[in-house]
Parts: sequence; structure tokens; C-alpha cells
Amino acid sequence: QSVLTQPPSVSAAPGQKVTISCSGSSSNIGNYYVSWYQQLPGTAPKLLIYDNNKRPSRIPDRFSASKSGTSATLGITGLQTGDEADYYCGTWDSRLSAVVFGGGTKLTVL
Amino acid sequence: QVQLQQSGPGLVKPSETLSLTCTVSGGSVSSGSYYWTWIRQPPGKGLEFIGYYYDSESTKYNPSLKSRVTISVDTAKNQFSLKLTSVTAADTAVYYCARGVLAARSDYWGQGMLVTVSS
Repeated sequence: QSVLTQPPSVSAAPGQKVTISCSGSSSNIGNYYVSWYQQLPGTAPKLLIYDNNKRPSRIPDRFSASKSGTSATLGITGLQTGDEADYYCGTWDSRLSAVVFGGGTKLTVL
Repeated sequence: QVQLQQSGPGLVKPSETLSLTCTVSGGSVSSGSYYWTWIRQPPGKGLEFIGYYYDSESTKYNPSLKSRVTISVDTAKNQFSLKLTSVTAADTAVYYCARGVLAARSDYWGQGMLVTVSS
């Protein structure tokens, strides 16, 4: 059971938009920055979003994110088949004094 | 460009110690600004934080693993290492090393190594 809650899977057609939610509490998302990672099949996770809504320079602006209270959301527009991957949210948890992750969401581009 | 290269055995016997090393190029483990982190992923499951080394001998470990984990740095070799003692089949996972600007913001990752615990 992960500390952060994500939907197990989401799907959408190519060119469409999808959102992935990440729910936590005041000991984690509510008071700390959220990061999002993309893990393509058989590869290491890649940092997609940091500090709630910032993108590393190499990440296209089709990827965006936001945070409100104890929840965060990742959005992907103009879906491509190459976006099929597992997506994880992560943050610090002050109660556990550890980094915590969501269980991951598998994105299928139909 | 920072690169992290992992090494170590892919098979460990139950009750023994898992040891992995992450060699850093394009950056220095001596830098006090980064979190040198280990994360693992059991087959078909999600990511689990193991721990990190930060800024001159400051370490933090996952409470569920704390009694069995040690993360250390070798500045001469520009490496950081993970030791996990008394392993069981539940420790079978792909192990990743990573560099973080913040504890939960890992921007460079190693290639990952599958470590199987089996006799």
C-alpha cells in the first residue's frame, strides 16, 4: 500500500489529453514539493516534473502539472504512442522522514 | 553530463549481504549539494525509497529497511554504495542509484540492476 494514491491505469486516444491524480496528506504533498517521473518499459525512471509544476529543459510543454492542497495532478496533451509508460508521483513525507512514491499509473494510448 | 553506472552481483543468497556500487562521472560525490540516493522496484511493482547520503556523512534511510541498510560514499573513487544485510526473497528487485537536487527530486539515474535473492 503506497503512501501516495494514484489510479492504476488511464487511457486515451492519440492526440487527446489525459490527467493523472496523486493524493496524499498534510505530512507529504500538503507541505512539500511534488515530482513526477515517467518510466518507459524496461528503463529507469526519468524526471518529468519537479517543484510541483516545473519541467526540466528537455521535457516538452505537452507535460504539465499542478498541486492543490494535498493532491497533485499531471497532465499530458497531444498524446503520442511514445507516451505509453508508467508515471509516478513522489515527495517527502515528514511523518515517515522518507521519500514516498505513488503506486504508479500505467498510461495506455489507444 | 552526469552519468551514473551501477555495478554488483545480480544474484545473492538468502541471509547474505547485497552490495551495489554506483560510479559517478561528470560530477562529484563530494559536492555537498546533492542527495546520492538508492531506490528499488520489485518486479511488476512500484518504486520504493531505500535511502540517501547527503552532505558529509548525513544519511537517511527508509524506516522499514533502516536496521539493514548502509549507504556510504568513496570520494577517492567518486562512488557511492549500498549494503543491505540479511536479504530475503522479498528484497528481489531492480535497484537504482540516483542523484537528487532534493531528496524527492532525482534528476539523474543509473541504468538499474536486477538483484535476485535465491539459493
